[in-house]
Amino acid sequence: GNSVTQMEGPVTLSEEAFLTINCTYTATGYPSLFWYVQYPGEGLQLLLKATKADDKGSNKGFEATYRKETTSFHLEKGSVQVSDSAVYFCALSTISGGSYIPTFGRGTSLIVHP
Amino acid sequence: ETGVTQTPRHLVMGMTNKKSLKCEQHLGHNAMYWYKQSAKKPLELMFVYSLEERVENNSVPSRFSPECPNSSHLFLHLHTLQPEDSALYLCASSQVDIWSTEAFFGQGTRLTVV
Repeated sequence: GNSVTQMEGPVTLSEEAFLTINCTYTATGYPSLFWYVQYPGEGLQLLLKATKADDKGSNKGFEATYRKETTSFHLEKGSVQVSDSAVYFCALSTISGGSYIPTFGRGTSLIVHP
Repeated sequence: ETGVTQTPRHLVMGMTNKKSLKCEQHLGHNAMYWYKQSAKKPLELMFVYSLEERVENNSVPSRFSPECPNSSHLFLHLHTLQPEDSALYLCASSQVDIWSTEAFFGQGTRLTVV
């Protein structure tokens, strides 16, 4: 079956530090890959996505590249801000039997200090 | 109104009560999902509806009963819940077609069972 593994948190950084959150996946077929962000008390919001190998998703300074050879989709940001403090979820989706089943990682909490 | 809307945002109920959670999507999607998010646990997929038919039911206890009367509305009927059912319940929707797409989430209903 499909699965997503992401690094355990919390990740604690100072403002303007470089961020990497690792994500690897196992899937049948050709999944699409996503990063979602969840702020306290809110639902999940799509941060970025990539639908095929070597695609790079980017949004709000965050980037992730779909690496089929290493089955990875690591999230990076060059300079984090306090407002980036949230929980980040790596996810994949595949179409199976006419339905779409998204699979999520456990989430990684990011805490950014001023 | 756009996006995915969940009501109520907060709910406190006794173990003998019956209540319902409501989800409405204004995105024209054809699939809807219920997830349970508990503290320190991965996101748990509960139910999936595709084209108004239930296609996934991940061994959820019968005290949770979903209903999807049309492609825009999804309900989760609750009865005789346990304190361990206290969690954030998230609704999501997506468009199922040849390319898998991302799920759009509501803000969730914070349920407390007393």
